Amino acid sequence: DAGVTQSPTHLIKTRGQHVTLRCSPISGHKSVSWYQQVLGQGPQFIFQYYEKEERGRGNFPDRFSARQFPNYSSELNVNALLLGDSALYLCASSLYPGQGTDTQYFGPGTRLTVL
Amino acid sequence: GENVEQHPSTLSVQEGDSAVIKCTYSDSASNYFPWYKQELGKGPQLIIDIRSNVGEKKDQRIAVTLNKTAKHFSLHITETQPEDSAVYFCAARDSNYQLIWGAGTKLIIKP
Repeated sequence: DAGVTQSPTHLIKTRGQHVTLRCSPISGHKSVSWYQQVLGQGPQFIFQYYEKEERGRGNFPDRFSARQFPNYSSELNVNALLLGDSALYLCASSLYPGQGTDTQYFGPGTRLTVL
Repeated sequence: GENVEQHPSTLSVQEGDSAVIKCTYSDSASNYFPWYKQELGKGPQLIIDIRSNVGEKKDQRIAVTLNKTAKHFSLHITETQPEDSAVYFCAARDSNYQLIWGAGTKLIIKP
């Protein structure tokens, strides 16, 4: 079975640009979460989606947005990129965001570099 | 909100010895505690998890213990091998079902 897939694997952008990152969850998983991992730190929660609805949002500015599609894949969008947005962006999928079914499995991440 | 602290930040052990990584959490309502292993350039990989109705869980060379009263949980790796070298993260799920992560422990296995 395929795990969580993310595209692209690497991306280089300049300040002020916009970026879209994509994620496909494990087959049968309906919940997707996004995390930002700055080098040398643990992942920071950005969003969680379940059945196309936002279920949780971390402490990130409105420049960050996301959505989930009917096939449960997801996109993370970041507008007006700043140098500080350079990080590894991780997508995780789980069955449902509830007790006992919420184990999260991570994709390989997208490495975003903002110049 | 939930806060997770992880120690040590770096741990160096001789191959074959045991390694222990410790985490504390602040929110007594947290009830799910996974451990992830992250190798360079890869996403985190779940290695073991524990829920608050269990005090200990073991999977071959890996075990996790949970002390709800003291609000701390630990990862134990026995008979360490070179392939165990990686960064290990603990996490706690808060009341909003969000994972709050520790800062990570770099585990170095010396041959």
